[in-house]
Amino acid sequence: NAGVTQTPKFQVLKTGQSMTLQCAQDMNHNSMYWYRQDPGMGLRLIYYSASEGTTDKGEVPNGYNVSRLNKREFSLRLESAAPSQTSVYFCASRTTEQFFGPGTRLTVL
Amino acid sequence: GQQLNQSPQSMFIQEGEDVSMNCTSSSIFNTWLWYKQDPGEGPVLLIALYKAGELTSNGRLTAQFGITRKDSFLNISASIPSDVGIYFCAGPELVIGTYKYIFGTGTRLKVLA
Repeated sequence: NAGVTQTPKFQVLKTGQSMTLQCAQDMNHNSMYWYRQDPGMGLRLIYYSASEGTTDKGEVPNGYNVSRLNKREFSLRLESAAPSQTSVYFCASRTTEQFFGPGTRLTVL
Repeated sequence: GQQLNQSPQSMFIQEGEDVSMNCTSSSIFNTWLWYKQDPGEGPVLLIALYKAGELTSNGRLTAQFGITRKDSFLNISASIPSDVGIYFCAGPELVIGTYKYIFGTGTRLKVLA
């Protein structure tokens, strides 16, 4: 039982490049979430998915898109990366409590 | 929107000391969650509180859900070096079909051996 897994762990992009961050959970949770965490700050919600087939914007959705591929997988896409998107990205899933993945550390040059 | 304020923002303590931190909200929550984040890792759930006034322990950790449902505190007794990290409080906000979570800005704990 791996819990919430994320790939890649680290990524460096140039401004304007695109990439997809992958997230999967094996706990049969309906709800999944993407957060970003900037130095010295808490977690800010980017997008969430209440269940398979639904997605909704969180606090900071601009510059991102998401896909809830199936119940297990929830991906986050940066279509044209900007330096302001340098951050650590966490995926989470939820039953009564929320469980987090280990994070993806993204640097945009 | 709702905000969670945590205090203190950071603290240095000596090994063996007790630690207390708290979290306050501008509005009522029905659940309070406390997470710990180790350097380079994702947050890990420590304690979940579901009822106003509830006091829950997990080893050396004790957390309480305030009677007004607008605050919570977390105590760590007899701190050890591995208690170092960032402690977050979080509360759920009901949205269509699920909850989204509001996180505090964290309390950074450093333990001096």
